[in-house]
Amino acid sequence: QKEVEQNSGPLSVPEGAIASLNCTYSDRVSQSFFWYRQYSGKSPELIMSIYSNGDKEDGRFTAQLNKASQYVSLLIRDSQPSDSATYLCAVNRGSNYKLTFGKGTLLTVNP
Amino acid sequence: DADVTQTPRNRITKTGKRIMLECSQTKGHDRMYWYRQDPGLGLRLIYYSFDVKDINKGEISDGYSVSRQAQAKFSLSLESAIPNQTALYFCATSDSLPTSGGGETQYFGPGTRLLVL
Repeated sequence: QKEVEQNSGPLSVPEGAIASLNCTYSDRVSQSFFWYRQYSGKSPELIMSIYSNGDKEDGRFTAQLNKASQYVSLLIRDSQPSDSATYLCAVNRGSNYKLTFGKGTLLTVNP
Repeated sequence: DADVTQTPRNRITKTGKRIMLECSQTKGHDRMYWYRQDPGLGLRLIYYSFDVKDINKGEISDGYSVSRQAQAKFSLSLESAIPNQTALYFCATSDSLPTSGGGETQYFGPGTRLLVL
């Protein structure tokens, strides 16, 4: 069964620290990987996508992908209280396949 | 104006009633999706449509039906609502044209909070 696994948290970090969010997936032919952020009561919004092994940086966010280990992570540097949200990992085999979401990790950044 | 809209935003109904949730988008995307979100269970796909003539079941389609009236509109119906369909429902859209790197982004509407008594 194709699954996407995340630690549910909550993950609590102090303001200014690095938050590390992890995701593993079971479908070996997965090609596209996404991180969505969801504030409480709001809809998910895309913050990062990654398709190739290695790191991809966008501002304070870095996505890391290791297809051999079936592992994708999201690092948030200089964490801010406004980063407090649930982070959803999503995976698919490519553009003609539906997304499979993990259950999300709740991140709390303490001032 | 929001690119993906959902109506109603909140709905309370009774067991056995038929209700319809509507989704409209102005993004020009060809693909549309319906998800439900429950605490602890994450986002689960109910139905998806890759174009107007294409409708596919997702993980949890039992008790639901959909209609793709136009490229911009995708409705979800609960034929006979039951309490365990109480959830937050999201519509999402995406574009089949491949983005740089090959993936596609889904854009979510604001959600409909449904309570079935």
